[in-house]
Amino acid sequence: ETGVTQSPTHLIKTRGQQVTLRCSSQSGHNTVSWYQQALGQGPQFIFQYYREEENGRGNFPPRFSGLQFPNYSSELNVNALELDDSALYLCASSLVRQGGNTGELFFGEGSRLTVL
Amino acid sequence: RKEVEQDPGPFNVPEGATVAFNCTYSNSASQSFFWYRQDCRKEPKLLMSVYSSGNEDGRFTAQLNRASQYISLLIRDSKLSDSATYLCVVMVTGRRALTFGSGTRLQVQP
Repeated sequence: ETGVTQSPTHLIKTRGQQVTLRCSSQSGHNTVSWYQQALGQGPQFIFQYYREEENGRGNFPPRFSGLQFPNYSSELNVNALELDDSALYLCASSLVRQGGNTGELFFGEGSRLTVL
Repeated sequence: RKEVEQDPGPFNVPEGATVAFNCTYSNSASQSFFWYRQDCRKEPKLLMSVYSSGNEDGRFTAQLNRASQYISLLIRDSKLSDSATYLCVVMVTGRRALTFGSGTRLQVQP
């Protein structure tokens, strides 16, 4: 196992509601990224956090927001849920050194969100 | 057009077969390349990095053609346990994110 844990594993919400997903990084990793994976698609980058700051963002609206805590754990918040937000949300941790990303991400098992 | 394109499959092959997956990428600023494996309803895991000179890890061989912007993965002597979705992944210079293809599904049959 990767050592990255996510909660909850499954949840169901209705349109317009808000959701918070949580992630604990692998020990020793300083960077956390969140990805959205729709059925039959590859993961799509939402954003990345390093030293508690967002330092990269994909093509997702502002209602997707996040936090990274001093212990490198992280939260993904999604406001005003839409039906298309139904997906698997993957948290990935990595160790980024001065040279930058190595490309190896350690994913958690994901939180499967269904929006009705 | 997607930045990383893969044939979705599925590829249905018998045990012991050799199978090859292809992937093309559109961004010429792509600097690093990977294959990730994702089992059904599980998280993606790094299978191998892809180097310009080509590289091999046991039954798996990865190749990169920068001129054609093309990546391949060859699996020899397929095992039942190789059944999974194989994701082609690129990292573009200056970006924090990895860009994933939609994946190619492999089903190895007894």
